[in-house]
Amino acid sequence: NAGVTQTPKFRILKIGQSMTLQCTQDMNHNYMYWYRQDPGMGLKLIYYSVGAGITDKGEVPNGYNVSRSTTEDFPLRLELAAPSQTSVYFCASSYSTGGGNQPQHFGDGTRLSIL
Amino acid sequence: EDQVTQSPEALRLQEGESSSLNCSYTVSGLRGLFWYRQDPGKGPEFLFTLYSAGEEKEKERLKATLTKKESFLHITAPKPEDSATYLCAVQTSNYQLIWGAGTKLIIKP
Repeated sequence: NAGVTQTPKFRILKIGQSMTLQCTQDMNHNYMYWYRQDPGMGLKLIYYSVGAGITDKGEVPNGYNVSRSTTEDFPLRLELAAPSQTSVYFCASSYSTGGGNQPQHFGDGTRLSIL
Repeated sequence: EDQVTQSPEALRLQEGESSSLNCSYTVSGLRGLFWYRQDPGKGPEFLFTLYSAGEEKEKERLKATLTKKESFLHITAPKPEDSATYLCAVQTSNYQLIWGAGTKLIIKP
């Protein structure tokens, strides 16, 4: 049972480069999320999606883009990488019926350094 | 402003020494409070959801409780394998999830 799978696990980028962080889930969850986790701080929501073809900004969307063409996949795109984007990125998914209280299931993260 | 604060930042206990972690919150309406466990190099793993003041949930050596302003995660007779960072998150009335920074728990054998 794979759950939420993120690739790559580690990556080093140079300032100004671009990359895509991949996320796929096999639980048929309709909601998917991207977070960043910085030392000493709570998880910050970057973008989320309530279903295929629908995405919306979270708390810290600047410098990122997402797409959701299928239920399973939710890639996160970094354009023109900056040192401030050095972080650990987590993808999560949940099943929500509108009540909004279903727990989120997380992948193991992508550790990204921008040098 | 919606805010979730966890204390202490870090807690070192001897094996078998019971204690509690705190998650205090000031939010615009509470739909639910979640506790997660995070091991080094891994994503958060769901533990409990609490919905209303007075509610309690248990799992092995862990018990979570909820009041109108805070939640406690009680750890009874912990073992080294309970060492992890424990995160709490609060879902507000507009479905936003606010995360605390976590408590790093270390259990020494």
